Amino acid sequence: GENVEQHPSTLSVQEGDSAVIKCTYSDSASNYFPWYKQELGKRPQLIIDIRSNVGEKKDQRIAVTLNKTAKHFSLHITETQPEDSAVYFCAASLNQAGTALIFGKGTTLSVSS
Amino acid sequence: DAGVTQSPTHLIKTRGQHVTLRCSPISGHKSVSWYQQVLGQGPQFIFQYYEKEERGRGNFPDRFSARQFPNYSSELNVNALLLGDSALYLCASSARQGLSSYEQYFGPGTRLTVT
Repeated sequence: GENVEQHPSTLSVQEGDSAVIKCTYSDSASNYFPWYKQELGKRPQLIIDIRSNVGEKKDQRIAVTLNKTAKHFSLHITETQPEDSAVYFCAASLNQAGTALIFGKGTTLSVSS
Repeated sequence: DAGVTQSPTHLIKTRGQHVTLRCSPISGHKSVSWYQQVLGQGPQFIFQYYEKEERGRGNFPDRFSARQFPNYSSELNVNALLLGDSALYLCASSARQGLSSYEQYFGPGTRLTVT
């Protein structure tokens, strides 16, 4: 089955710096890759996603890139702000009935002002 | 516009007991998935239901069961609770299966503590 590895497990940056979180997946058939942000005690929130027919997607300060050949995808946050501090999870999935999201173990991002 | 709702928010149970967790999806969403999130880990898939039928099952024992009702709400049942079942149980809804139905939106979760 699918396995998703996520790095780093913790990331500390200064406000205004960029942050990059990387994930690799094992199943080449996976074709949907969302990123979730989870603040302490709250639900995971979908912040951006990418499908396998797209190499890059951007939404304001957040961007995601996908390299299907290498089976890895990354989250890029520019101009980080203290409110970006949270745990970020990547996930991978197949577009098939009953297919689950397979999550990485998460990255704790701390943005200090 | 209401998001995914779950009840109860918190629950404390004793080993060996049974628990029922409830989820109401976003209006118009027909698919519900359940995940278990242990502290410090990513969510792990338990079940997916679509149109009241089980469409997927993760690597969880038979003590875990679920169902979906005609109004698309769902219940997750766990029998013979173990200490290791202590976790945040998340429900996620999505519009439908198939094309353009990837996005899953999570509820606030139910925090289950087994003592």
